[in-house]
Amino acid sequence: DQQVKQNSPSLSVQEGRISILNCDYTNSMFDYFLWYKKYPAEGPTFLISISSIKDKNEDGRFTVFLNKSAKHLSLHIVPSQPGDSAVYFCAAILIYNFNKFYFGSGTKLNVKP
Amino acid sequence: EAGVTQFPSHSVIEKGQTVTLRCDPISGHDNLYWYRRVMGKEIKFLLHFVKESKQDESGMPNNRFLAERTGGTYSTLKVQPAELEDSGVYFCASSQGQPRGYTFGSGTRLTVV
Repeated sequence: DQQVKQNSPSLSVQEGRISILNCDYTNSMFDYFLWYKKYPAEGPTFLISISSIKDKNEDGRFTVFLNKSAKHLSLHIVPSQPGDSAVYFCAAILIYNFNKFYFGSGTKLNVKP
Repeated sequence: EAGVTQFPSHSVIEKGQTVTLRCDPISGHDNLYWYRRVMGKEIKFLLHFVKESKQDESGMPNNRFLAERTGGTYSTLKVQPAELEDSGVYFCASSQGQPRGYTFGSGTRLTVV
């Protein structure tokens, strides 16, 4: 049973606009959340994370929002750039096991010039 | 610093054959992980080594999969005999324990025909 879900397989955005990628989870014991970015033929690379004690974390053009009551998090990219075109994975970690990531199925972002 | 290296990058084998995937973690990383992404779905945890010991192998699909990490350095993942549903991309990652410190390799794409 998939505990982390990314229901949008793909998203297309114009350069300079905002990209919003969504992620839902079912397990209330998840304590830490991460977003990874993956280019073709490469491994996922860490982008940004957020602890469950926060509701927002910002790093440059990237902001992650966490809504614990809704079990929902989102990644905002603003402004979007063509180099942001990649597959984005949401991941979650349980309180008692930081060594096992639960990933979503990914959202392919295409930023059009 | 060299990253996580995986070999081969691609492997095409026939059903019933044996395949061995190799992962060289970042030097000094005690934690080594194997993950798998099947047919565009989520990236799923397979197992976790701490040095040469298997810490968590709860994600291993069945006993056709055997992972080893002799000497606590590189790791191998053997599939014997391979089945069609084993096709996917196998990722290896290493870390020194911090979630943000996970580094993934570029993966091995396994195709079983």
